[in-house]
Amino acid sequence: ILNVEQSPQSLHVQEGDSTNFTCSFPSSNFYALHWYRWETAKSPEALFVMTLNGDEKKKGRISATLNTKEGYSYLYIKGSQPEDSATYLCAFYGGATNKLIFGTGTLLAVQP
Amino acid sequence: GAGVSQSPSNKVTEKGKDVELRCDPISGHTALYWYRQSLGQGLEFLIYFQGNSAPDKSGLPSDRFSAERTGGSVSTLTIQRTQQEDSAVYLCASSRGLNSQETQYFGPGTRLLVL
Repeated sequence: ILNVEQSPQSLHVQEGDSTNFTCSFPSSNFYALHWYRWETAKSPEALFVMTLNGDEKKKGRISATLNTKEGYSYLYIKGSQPEDSATYLCAFYGGATNKLIFGTGTLLAVQP
Repeated sequence: GAGVSQSPSNKVTEKGKDVELRCDPISGHTALYWYRQSLGQGLEFLIYFQGNSAPDKSGLPSDRFSAERTGGSVSTLTIQRTQQEDSAVYLCASSRGLNSQETQYFGPGTRLLVL
């Protein structure tokens, strides 16, 4: 059974704080790692697709890094804003599964 | 352009009744996926369709669950004899193909409550 774990489960920060979360995934048979943001009452929205060890991706104040050898990815948010409040999901695509295996997500709440 | 749409947005049903959930994928997307999120759980894969290939049903939790995709477009997820543990948000997603780097585009979900 492929296991994708995210930590922390939830996080409360003040507006302006920078924060980061972790996604751990199997280090063998790696194909890709996806990050999604899921705001309440909306559809999950793709943030990044990462494929190469050492990859770094950035979108505005959000960035992500990838270490496929040790099986983890970090998502960073610089200067959190209330509109960043959402559940952040990572998903591992590996082996012969032909599908994304999602973690349980990190729920971020940014207090104004 | 139009995104993935799902209907109904909310469904309340009584235990033992059958329900049908509908998904309209993005036009031209050959791959379609169904997931569900139960309270306190992560996104759980249920089934995917890719073109004319046989669907991967490996995530369906029981034989009460079935899905079809007609004409390579619209998909229907059917839950027969619903149980309270079927209460969840059911999400549909589509992508251009079945490739590890393809982004999946999600619909808004159907919130199912079984009383």
